[in-house]
Amino acid sequence: EPEVTQTPSHQVTQMGQEVILRCVPISNHLYFYWYRQILGQKVEFLVSFYNNEISEKSEIFDDQFSVERPDGSNFTLKIRSTKLEDSAMYFCATSAGAFQETQYFGPGTRLLVL
Amino acid sequence: GNSVTQMEGPVTLSEEAFLTINCTYTATGYPSLFWYVQYPGEGLQLLLKATKADDKGSNKGFEATYRKETTSFHLEKGSVQVSDSAVYFCALSGVAGANSKLTFGKGITLSVRP
Repeated sequence: EPEVTQTPSHQVTQMGQEVILRCVPISNHLYFYWYRQILGQKVEFLVSFYNNEISEKSEIFDDQFSVERPDGSNFTLKIRSTKLEDSAMYFCATSAGAFQETQYFGPGTRLLVL
Repeated sequence: GNSVTQMEGPVTLSEEAFLTINCTYTATGYPSLFWYVQYPGEGLQLLLKATKADDKGSNKGFEATYRKETTSFHLEKGSVQVSDSAVYFCALSGVAGANSKLTFGKGITLSVRP
């Protein structure tokens, strides 16, 4: 069964450093999402992406965050200057459509900012 | 805005016990409702979904019915197994023409004893 993959599985970085989290969507999927889960808290929506544009973003997704599909396959989340509070599990999700479509999640990247 | 409330956990049951995990929601319009499961060390997997009132989603012995009158989507299983030990998340997504992001509940950890 096709699956969403994410790399790296774990990343440790120093505060102020840039990180790039990568996701390989299921091949025929057109809608892409990033969510995050701070330890012990809810899974929170960050951003949705369709047709090479951001469709929606949450308040969390400020100027320090960006997303792109650099090569038409990978879908990346960049955090320009990490803060301690960015430490979380980051999940990529993809779906074939928008309304009522199932979102398929990757295994996540655990980011630790020191 | 949309929100999902799940009962407080964790929940510990003996094998073959009956399981109910409560989930209620607040949303405008008619959202789609989902249960996702997260097994240890893995990403979120769709367990079941329902897209309109009175629909029943079912999978792997789990069931949930979309109850518009009580704004609920409680998860049930008649006889749990040790392999059902995981974190369970209730979620909703927006209506047609609106955003499709998922709004999650806090999640509840289920442990099943042999």
